[in-house]
Order: sequence, then C-alpha cells, then structure tokens
Amino acid sequence: QVTLRESGPALVKPTQTLTLTCTFSGFSFSSTAMRVSWVRQPPGKALEWLALIGWDDDKKYNTSLKTRLTISKDTSKNQVVLTMTNIDPVDTATYYCARALGYCGGGNCYHYMDVWGKGTMVTVSS
Amino acid sequence: IWLTQSPSLVSASTGDRVIITCRLSQVINGYLAWYQQKPGKAPELLIYATSSLQRGVPSRFSGSGSGTDFTLTISGLQSEDFATYYCQQYYNFPWTFGQGTKVEIK
Repeated sequence: QVTLRESGPALVKPTQTLTLTCTFSGFSFSSTAMRVSWVRQPPGKALEWLALIGWDDDKKYNTSLKTRLTISKDTSKNQVVLTMTNIDPVDTATYYCARALGYCGGGNCYHYMDVWGKGTMVTVSS
Repeated sequence: IWLTQSPSLVSASTGDRVIITCRLSQVINGYLAWYQQKPGKAPELLIYATSSLQRGVPSRFSGSGSGTDFTLTISGLQSEDFATYYCQQYYNFPWTFGQGTKVEIK
C-alpha cells in the first residue's frame, strides 16, 4: 500500500524558513516511473503545484516561487524535503505531497499525481 | 499553461448528469488529469491521460477531450460525488491546475 505523510511546523513566523518533510512507503524511489511532488492550497482557494523531484535528483519548480523553494530527497529514509525561504502570511496553506507516477514514450516521460498525503496545515503569523 | 474550468459552481441533484469543462491556453497532447476533493480532505485522482480511469474509481466518471478542450462527466450523480473537482495539466512545467468546480446539492 502506497502512503505519504507530511510533517512540519503548524505555525511559522514571517521571514522564517519553512521546512516540510514527506515520508513515504509502499514504493521504491529508484525507478524512472516514480517522482514525488509538493502541492499547496490556501484556505478556500485552488491547488497550486510547487515542486517535483525524481529518483535521479532531477528537480522542477513552480516558476513564480523558484527562488524561494528547494526540494531534496533522502532515499535511505524514504523522505522528500521541501524548504521555502522568506515565508509570508500569503504562504498560509495546507501543503500536500504526492507520488507522481509516470509513463514514458517517445523519449519523454509524463507523470501524474496518483496518491496524495493527507496534508499539513501551515499558518504564517507573527 | 492556463486552465479555465467552467462552470465554477454546479447545482445538481442525485441522478443528474454533470459535465465540467476544462479549457487550456495551449495544446497538451492529452496529458490532463482530474481530481476530486472533499472538504478537509486531500485531492484524489479520478482520471489521467484525458480518459484513463484510475483504479477503484466508479465507472460513472469519464473523461474526454482533445486539443485544448477537455471534459469530466459524472453520469448519475451520487451523494458521495458532491465535492470540488480540479483539472491539471502535466505536459509542461510548471504543472498547473484549473480553479476548481464545486458540485453542490440542488
């Protein structure tokens, strides 16, 4: 059974750095078919994709947040970590991690998010 | 790539057929997914690759489309289907979502 669980602080002060951890089980991160992604959702608003990391350490970022985001992995611990610098109240949201399952063809691979964690709510306030 | 869902809100009754549209700002070669999200819960994958039904998802859900226009159809709305639905493209980075369509009880 594939599961993912997000963990991190519930409350962060403005200008601080937010560090979130996604701990997963039930799949191996050593396959081109597997990647892990982060998505967030401010209260009452739509989903926003943040970042993605592959088994080969290939990383993709939301263009508008790229300078503030870093995604990394610890394969030995089955964990993916997202850090966001210079946190602001507008970053208040539920943060989800999700497995991205891929299929390849014509030299390209395309991944969709098939299993999600329950999410962790982060409030940014002084 | 921008995704525009319509309508933003659907009021429907159990048993109704509901169609949600997702229009994109450019062609994505069918790399589109649909998610269902209930209040306080994480999104769940319904459809990927435009029309492939995720394992365990009821067959009353179906997806179709091509080019820049895609649809999610719920044939015979059930009480557990009242939720918000999102489309998402995974053809190009950054991945992007539609703004969501809420299906509420009429």
